[in-house]
Amino acid sequence: DGGITQSPKYLFRKEGQNVTLSCEQNLNHDAMYWYRQDPGQGLRLIYYSQIVNDFQKGDIAEGYSVSREKKESFPLTVTSAQKNPTAFYLCASRVAGNSPLHFGNGTRLTVT
Amino acid sequence: GNSVTQMEGPVTLSEEAFLTINCTYTATGYPSLFWYVQYPGEGLQLLLKATKADDKGSNKGFEATYRKETTSFHLEKGSVQVSDSAVYFCALIIQGAQKLVFGQGTRLTINP
Repeated sequence: DGGITQSPKYLFRKEGQNVTLSCEQNLNHDAMYWYRQDPGQGLRLIYYSQIVNDFQKGDIAEGYSVSREKKESFPLTVTSAQKNPTAFYLCASRVAGNSPLHFGNGTRLTVT
Repeated sequence: GNSVTQMEGPVTLSEEAFLTINCTYTATGYPSLFWYVQYPGEGLQLLLKATKADDKGSNKGFEATYRKETTSFHLEKGSVQVSDSAVYFCALIIQGAQKLVFGQGTRLTINP
């Protein structure tokens, strides 16, 4: 079955450490996205990528970095510069046009 | 600009009650509209969609009709179940745009 795989489901890190969240899709979608969700809140866009080797900042890119070396992979690095990194991170992908987003099951990051 | 406004939650209903979650939008172009559902600890799942005026999206007993005259896409279900307890997000995308626009989400709790 095609889908989006985010790993790990839970991630714990100490303050000051960088951490990379994995996102892999086998849907052959061109576009991929990273969102952040805080408890009881909506979605906020961190970064997105329409094609390989190209990506754009979303609304809250500070303290995050991404790469898009392969169509199926869009890893997100949460750097030590991110002031409040503890959150639920969602990866998504879509084809072009008016298509909807398909989401992974998320990674819950806790930084202490 | 483009925006989506959902009714404030949380919404609490008894099992078998009728559900309406209001969603209105503003859009600079001609949007496609979506409803997503998020169960606890999971990613968002596409529940239904509509791509043009008067289209009715439906899935799992849920329905929503794309009303251009009132710029609305209200979610309805005739008889809710405890398993429908989740957070529901309304969203849109404009033709040619790269990003979906999400509402803030509405938390629904169904009591037995």
